[in-house]
Amino acid sequence: QKEVEQNSGPLSVPEGAIASLNCTYSDRGSQSFFWYRQYSGKSPELIMSIYSNGDKEDGRFTAQLNKASQYVSLLIRDSQPSDSATYLCAVSSVDSSASKIIFGSGTRLSIRP
Amino acid sequence: DGGITQSPKYLFRKEGQNVTLSCEQNLNHDAMYWYRQDPGQGLRLIYYSQIVNDFQKGDIAEGYSVSREKKESFPLTVTSAQKNPTAFYLCASSPQRDRGEDTQYFGPGTRLTVL
Repeated sequence: QKEVEQNSGPLSVPEGAIASLNCTYSDRGSQSFFWYRQYSGKSPELIMSIYSNGDKEDGRFTAQLNKASQYVSLLIRDSQPSDSATYLCAVSSVDSSASKIIFGSGTRLSIRP
Repeated sequence: DGGITQSPKYLFRKEGQNVTLSCEQNLNHDAMYWYRQDPGQGLRLIYYSQIVNDFQKGDIAEGYSVSREKKESFPLTVTSAQKNPTAFYLCASSPQRDRGEDTQYFGPGTRLTVL
């Protein structure tokens, strides 16, 4: 069974520091990787997508992908209280010629002032 | 203003009742999805549809039904056969379901509670 694993947290990071969120996946054929942010009681919001090995930066967010290690991470620089949320890792795998996205259960991030 | 809408925001169901959750999108996306989220859990796929008049079961389809009569609309019915329906229901859409066009965007969700 294809799986996406995340540490549930909570991960507590001081304001202004770097928050590092990690995710591993089981399907070596995975092609697309996503990070979503979900505030309590709200729906997931797409932060980043990454498709190739290496780093992808967007503002304070950097996604890192290592397909050989089946590992994807999200770094948040200069962490702000508004970054406190649950972060969902999602991985797209090919299933019967169409892609299927599998979500991890999320890491709860808390930014302390 | 493009986006995905879900209604109602909150829904209460009595035992033995069927209820229907609405999902509408004006993004011209081909694929639409329904997920269920339980507290502290990830998203579990209920049903998905790639084109009008066609849909497939996801991982937890028992006790649910859907229709896709229009590209814009993908309503979900929670039937009385679903024994534990209290959850947060999320609708999503993506341009395609093929590789490279599969980024999913979510509606605001419907919180269903069984009384």
